[in-house]
Amino acid sequence: TQLLEQSPQFLSIQEGENLTVYCNSSSVFSSLQWYRQEPGEGPVLLVTVVTGGEVKKLKRLTFQFGDARKDSSLHITAAQPGDTGLYLCAGAYSGAGSYQLTFGKGTKLSVIP
Amino acid sequence: ETGVTQTPRHLVMGMTNKKSLKCEQHLGHNAMYWYKQSAKKPLELMFVYSLEERVENNSVPSRFSPECPNSSHLFLHLHTLQPEDSALYLCASSQVTAGIGELFFGEGSRLTVL
Repeated sequence: TQLLEQSPQFLSIQEGENLTVYCNSSSVFSSLQWYRQEPGEGPVLLVTVVTGGEVKKLKRLTFQFGDARKDSSLHITAAQPGDTGLYLCAGAYSGAGSYQLTFGKGTKLSVIP
Repeated sequence: ETGVTQTPRHLVMGMTNKKSLKCEQHLGHNAMYWYKQSAKKPLELMFVYSLEERVENNSVPSRFSPECPNSSHLFLHLHTLQPEDSALYLCASSQVTAGIGELFFGEGSRLTVL
């Protein structure tokens, strides 16, 4: 069974602060996705990373894929209350079925105005 | 309607009841999924249908029974559930080509088993 560890589990910060969320595995991903889930909603895809060392930016969000494709990070600059939600990483592993995505437990972020 | 819609949004049932969750996708995708989301646990993949054929069944108890009558509709039939089955049940769809692609989730059905 593949495990995908996310840290921290909970994060409460003031508006305007920066933060980083981590996603780690002992196995190599063929690709990794980040989702955000707001209360009462389903998860929504933020980004997919495929290449080791890849960096993608989405406004104030920066996503990085580790060189060895075993880890990823999400950095938010100048957090806003609208960033509040559950951030989930999900990895597709080489050799796994085409339909298998392994999710982490998520990081619950609260941004206080 | 657009995207993935799930009904009902909330469901309370006794352990002896029979109920069904419904999911409909309007995206023309070729795969549909049922996930279970419980507190303090990762999303758990339950079932996958591709082109109306079940392709994944991740050791789910037989009290959960999926049905995919066509590529746009997915059901999860529930019977004699246990209190530990209380969770958010998420339906998703994707267009699978070389890989799983982006999952588009519905808003979920919050199930409480008394």
